[in-house]
Amino acid sequence: QVQLVESGGGVVQPGRSLRLSCEASGFTFNNYGMHWVRQTPGKGLEWVAVISYDGSNSFYGDSVKGRVTVMRDNSKNTLFLQLDSLRADDTAIYYCAKDIRQRGTLNYFDLWGQGTLVTVSS
Amino acid sequence: VVLTQSPVTVSLSPGERATLTCRASPSVSNSLAWYQQKPGQPPRLLIYDSSNRATGIPARFSGSGSGTDFTLTISSLEPEDFAVYYCQQRSHWPLTFGGGTKVEIK
Repeated sequence: QVQLVESGGGVVQPGRSLRLSCEASGFTFNNYGMHWVRQTPGKGLEWVAVISYDGSNSFYGDSVKGRVTVMRDNSKNTLFLQLDSLRADDTAIYYCAKDIRQRGTLNYFDLWGQGTLVTVSS
Repeated sequence: VVLTQSPVTVSLSPGERATLTCRASPSVSNSLAWYQQKPGQPPRLLIYDSSNRATGIPARFSGSGSGTDFTLTISSLEPEDFAVYYCQQRSHWPLTFGGGTKVEIK
């Protein structure tokens, strides 16, 4: 069925790195831009990053710029988020989400995974 | 862009009409979406570009507005509609969300 499944979350110390994955199924992955969105009880929903359907373009939120890299492997229907120099305020549930538009990005999210929890703590 | 949602919480009964608002600063034209989120679940897209219902969304959900003031209306609340609702803009980078409105059962 049409779904996104995230993995790779866990407990990590401040300053360390983590790589999240999102495996897509049930739709033509290489036709859609993909996003990462995170959620915390205190700060609500925060958009993190987007990558174009072909991987040629990416954009980042202000709070993660320079510390985060979004990548995709269209041959494996998988999206990645590399998180470096992690801080306590990066603690959140990280969702991958599919863009609503084919072969472009409308920057609305019409399919979400269940999320993976990242906890940054010493 | 700052999106301010009001009220923060609203208490209503099934069958009642719900009117949720989202105010944008600065203007976002019609580039606004609404999402519904239930506990333990990811958000679900309801409305995009201010007034377009997403695939599979019931007709009781409608959106309106442009510029700085937007409204999500649920014409008659069903039991499954009690949830948190978020607005999101795509007009300016970075993409941003509002703080949410919780619709609770009265």
